[in-house]
Amino acid sequence: KNQVEQSPQSLIILEGKNCTLQCNYTVSPFSNLRWYKQDTGRGPVSLTIMTFSENTKSNGRYTATLDADTKQSSLHITASQLSDSASYICVVSVSHNFNKFYFGSGTKLNVKP
Amino acid sequence: SAVISQKPSRDICQRGTSLTIQCQVDSQVTMMFWYRQQPGQSLTLIATANQGSEATYESGFVIDKFPISRPNLTFSTLTVSNMSPEDSSIYLCSVGIQGRLFFGSGTQLSVL
Repeated sequence: KNQVEQSPQSLIILEGKNCTLQCNYTVSPFSNLRWYKQDTGRGPVSLTIMTFSENTKSNGRYTATLDADTKQSSLHITASQLSDSASYICVVSVSHNFNKFYFGSGTKLNVKP
Repeated sequence: SAVISQKPSRDICQRGTSLTIQCQVDSQVTMMFWYRQQPGQSLTLIATANQGSEATYESGFVIDKFPISRPNLTFSTLTVSNMSPEDSSIYLCSVGIQGRLFFGSGTQLSVL
């Protein structure tokens, strides 16, 4: 069964600290994995996209990793800011159907001053 | 990439009424998707809107409750009909382009 699981479900950290969010998937055949940031009441915005051959990709203070063998991805946030408070959603797509996407339930991050 | 304009951004509606959400894309796309996100939950696909044909609904969603129009390759509407408080959610339109998903800014709906 194609599934995407994220952990932790929620996380509270102090401003300036680092954190790592996890995404495990069983989706096959894998095409790509994307991390989205969703501010409260808004639509998700893409942070990074990882294809099968990519291990690490950075976007400013956000660094995503992908281990295609273990089917795990992580999103590392460095030097967190109050504006990082949001939900982070992991989405995996399959290679045989460009219009099929599998969503994780998200990690709700709260950055406190 | 794609730029998606969705409106309204939020609305407060009375029970029993209907709301139509509009989604405009800055390029022609084959597939448009409508998602619902209930409070504290992840996204659930309502239906896939194909231009020139009936929308394809996911299990648990029916056309009478969520009629969809797709008059051309850049525009779609989703109507939430005969609303109840359980319909209070964020509704999102999105497009898929070569395996990449782009979202509108969402419509936050509250039903009283």
